[in-house]
Amino acid sequence: GQQLNQSPQSMFIQEGEDVSMNCTSSSIFNTWLWYKQDPGEGPVLLIALYKAGELTSNGRLTAQFGITRKDSFLNISASIPSDVGIYFCAGTGTTDSWGKLQFGAGTQVVVTP
Amino acid sequence: DAGVIQSPRHEVTEMGQEVTLRCKPISGHDYLFWYRQTMMRGLELLIYFNNNVPIDDSGMPEDRFSAKMPNASFSTLKIQPSEPRDSAVYFCASSFYLFSRTGAGEAFFGQGTRLTVV
Repeated sequence: GQQLNQSPQSMFIQEGEDVSMNCTSSSIFNTWLWYKQDPGEGPVLLIALYKAGELTSNGRLTAQFGITRKDSFLNISASIPSDVGIYFCAGTGTTDSWGKLQFGAGTQVVVTP
Repeated sequence: DAGVIQSPRHEVTEMGQEVTLRCKPISGHDYLFWYRQTMMRGLELLIYFNNNVPIDDSGMPEDRFSAKMPNASFSTLKIQPSEPRDSAVYFCASSFYLFSRTGAGEAFFGQGTRLTVV
């Protein structure tokens, strides 16, 4: 079963607001990845993190690899309508083979004008 | 590049029938992954291949599921016999490296196959 706990489950925000979501794990992770999935499409990688404490930005997106290696957050600044979708955290545990990504349950983001 | 191509996009079949899902990875990618997505269990890795060789199939739910990669440009996921609980969206993904810091490790997902077993 899933070891990742992603929250919140859903968010309803107004255009221009900032969005923050996080993921926690019951065990140490080697990598943290954040994906976005649009309806009817496959997930698309947004940000990848490989080192504890690492803070990485991709446009309006910022993500950090927690120093305990058991958590990560994703921030979206100044949200726009196209930010709507489901955001997933994913990671590889220390006992997993490198290819075995575990995914969180997802955060559904709805942006209203 | 056309990206990862999966077929069919939708499949409706009767319980007990054999189902075959197909995937064409991005040319030059060494890794191919099969995932299953359901409301209850989210995204789960079923199996992945490196250079056409299965590396980790511990996510394959049971013997009714099998996956093959006969060459670098084609993979299949077969369910025989299918059951209603197999209904899900099945994704194929491919990547060049595994999690390279340069970004070359990004896994590209196909659009998925929505399977409904009635």
